[in-house]
Amino acid sequence: AQSVTQLGSHVSVSEGALVLLRCNYSSSVPPYLFWYVQYPNQGLQLLLKYTSAATLVKGINGFEAEFKKSETSFHLTKPSAHMSDAAEYFCAVSENGGATNKLIFGTGTLLAVQP
Amino acid sequence: NAGVMQNPRHLVRRRGQEARLRCSPMKGHSHVYWYRQLPEEGLKFMVYLQKENIIDESGMPKERFSAEFPKEGPSILRIQQVVRGDSAAYFCASSPGTGELVFGPGTRLTVL
Repeated sequence: AQSVTQLGSHVSVSEGALVLLRCNYSSSVPPYLFWYVQYPNQGLQLLLKYTSAATLVKGINGFEAEFKKSETSFHLTKPSAHMSDAAEYFCAVSENGGATNKLIFGTGTLLAVQP
Repeated sequence: NAGVMQNPRHLVRRRGQEARLRCSPMKGHSHVYWYRQLPEEGLKFMVYLQKENIIDESGMPKERFSAEFPKEGPSILRIQQVVRGDSAAYFCASSPGTGELVFGPGTRLTVL
């Protein structure tokens, strides 16, 4: 069965510092992986997705993630944090390798950005 | 394109009442997914529907919960005889079939 684990429910960085949000996955099939962002009282917005093409995926707002099969990881990074990046971030894996859009979500990481 | 619409955005019910949550998918999308987000947890899949058909309801509680997506009109998630444990944010997402999900803003249900 597919699953994702997000290490660290809360991450705090200073404005301008590197952002690193960790996600490890488990999948019995080649995975489709996603990162979503949720601002307070809003729905989820897709940041980026991996669908078995390039292992380094670039998304919106300067975020990127690298698929590492050997480490079963899909960590999200941004070189320089901005105050507007403060939000909750969710990693997700498609249940059946992208055949449908049924996603399995991690428990989320709340990112705080300090001035 | 107005995106995925959900209403109401906030819903308060007393224990034992019915909650009815509506979702209008994006124009051209015929696939609807419902997810529930409990406090301090990620989103949990509930049900996947296409027009007039339930495709996958493996995440739906066996009792009190039902969903429909009629030929005309929005998709409806219905919770009968609500209990305090039903308090959560309920998100709808739509897709055209293939391609990524587009999420709505959610309905936050509070059961008193």
